[in-house]
Amino acid sequence: DVKVTQSSRYLVKRTGEKVFLECVQDMDHENMFWYRQDPGLGLRLIYFSYDVKMKEKGDIPEGYSVSREKKERFSLILESASTNQTSMYLCASSPGPMNTEAFFGQGTRLTVV
Amino acid sequence: QQPVQSPQAVILREGEDAVINCSSSKALYSVHWYRQKHGEAPVFLMILLKGGEQKGHEKISASFNEKKQQSSLYLTASQLSYSGTYFCGLNAGNNRKLIWGLGTSLAVNP
Repeated sequence: DVKVTQSSRYLVKRTGEKVFLECVQDMDHENMFWYRQDPGLGLRLIYFSYDVKMKEKGDIPEGYSVSREKKERFSLILESASTNQTSMYLCASSPGPMNTEAFFGQGTRLTVV
Repeated sequence: QQPVQSPQAVILREGEDAVINCSSSKALYSVHWYRQKHGEAPVFLMILLKGGEQKGHEKISASFNEKKQQSSLYLTASQLSYSGTYFCGLNAGNNRKLIWGLGTSLAVNP
């Protein structure tokens, strides 16, 4: 079974902290994605990556950055956490090219206080 | 640009049927359907490609009308396990990322 593993299910951070959310997939997928999910707003793409060291902005990249140094790992970084970044964060991966099944991690519920 | 899903919510009794629609203002290359149960990750259901090819894993059917830029997901003889939020994701030809609808909440009661 394909596994997408996010490092934490729940995280509480203080305003202004630098926050790292980690995602690891074990199926050698090319594509990896970071989404945030808020009630009534659906899935919004923050960043995605289609290869090591490659990244593209999604729909809401402001306040976030990403890193993909190895194919299996995709990190989301909140440079200076703010309360409006309190949300559920979902990582996903899929084999390239497009039109293939995506596999999601269990999500990280981040609360910024 | 964001696809419109309808209805927003539906409540069924076990055994009843439901149709969930996903409409776009853009020409579509493919439509992806996922289901997310409460507290869980979204799970893939089906991909419908331009030209009619379907790829799916479950006994759930769907249609893709390219002219109308619309897809419909058909849930027949619903089971309790069908409860969850259904999302459509659209690929308008831009390759690797999808544009997601806001979801349709489906509750199946005994």
